[in-house]
Amino acid sequence: DTAVSQTPKYLVTQMGNDKSIKCEQNLGHDTMYWYKQDSKKFLKIMFSYNNKELIINETVPNRFSPKSPDKAHLNLHINSLELGDSAVYFCASSQVRGAGNEQFFGPGTRLTVL
Amino acid sequence: AQSVTQLGSHVSVSEGALVLLRCNYSSSVPPYLFWYVQYPNQGLQLLLKYTSAATLVKGINGFEAEFKKSETSFHLTKPSAHMSDAAEYFCAVRGASGSARQLTFGSGTQLTVLP
Repeated sequence: DTAVSQTPKYLVTQMGNDKSIKCEQNLGHDTMYWYKQDSKKFLKIMFSYNNKELIINETVPNRFSPKSPDKAHLNLHINSLELGDSAVYFCASSQVRGAGNEQFFGPGTRLTVL
Repeated sequence: AQSVTQLGSHVSVSEGALVLLRCNYSSSVPPYLFWYVQYPNQGLQLLLKYTSAATLVKGINGFEAEFKKSETSFHLTKPSAHMSDAAEYFCAVRGASGSARQLTFGSGTQLTVLP
């Protein structure tokens, strides 16, 4: 039973297109996250979200937007894709109470923009 | 602001040798510290975490880490490397409140285990 799942695993698309990546967690966590991992393996937080608060990393372009239909899902929408958006995107979740609680990560979505 | 520095982007050890991956942190509040492992083409998996209890933390797969406040370090060790330990390792820090609760990752260390 997968704890945090993402679809699709691979996404290849053309510049200028709009795409979405879906994320679901079945851990009952109240907070979900999106991370971007670049070609050098550097991980950067993009968003954290629970039903009360959306925290956006100020460096994230507004072409990226998180959408949460319910507590178990946090989808990532990307408009007008650019070459520099090529990366691996990870979804994660945690229980926000208790900063010592770890985040659980999904398997990642490798996005390639041509 | 909080940050993590991992010294050595690549570390190679022989099978059976000691593994030492270095992590130093900077945090204005008492930190929570984590080590994650990423195997090729997979997501991150928690190895261990420090949450202000025992300073020596034991994790999965024989790894452990020691929190040293005076040195602002949280180095990861394993007495004897196994081929299956080859992976990317990330140290991360998180504060207790506010924006510091965001998880901040180091740049990662690629561990290679030689036969």
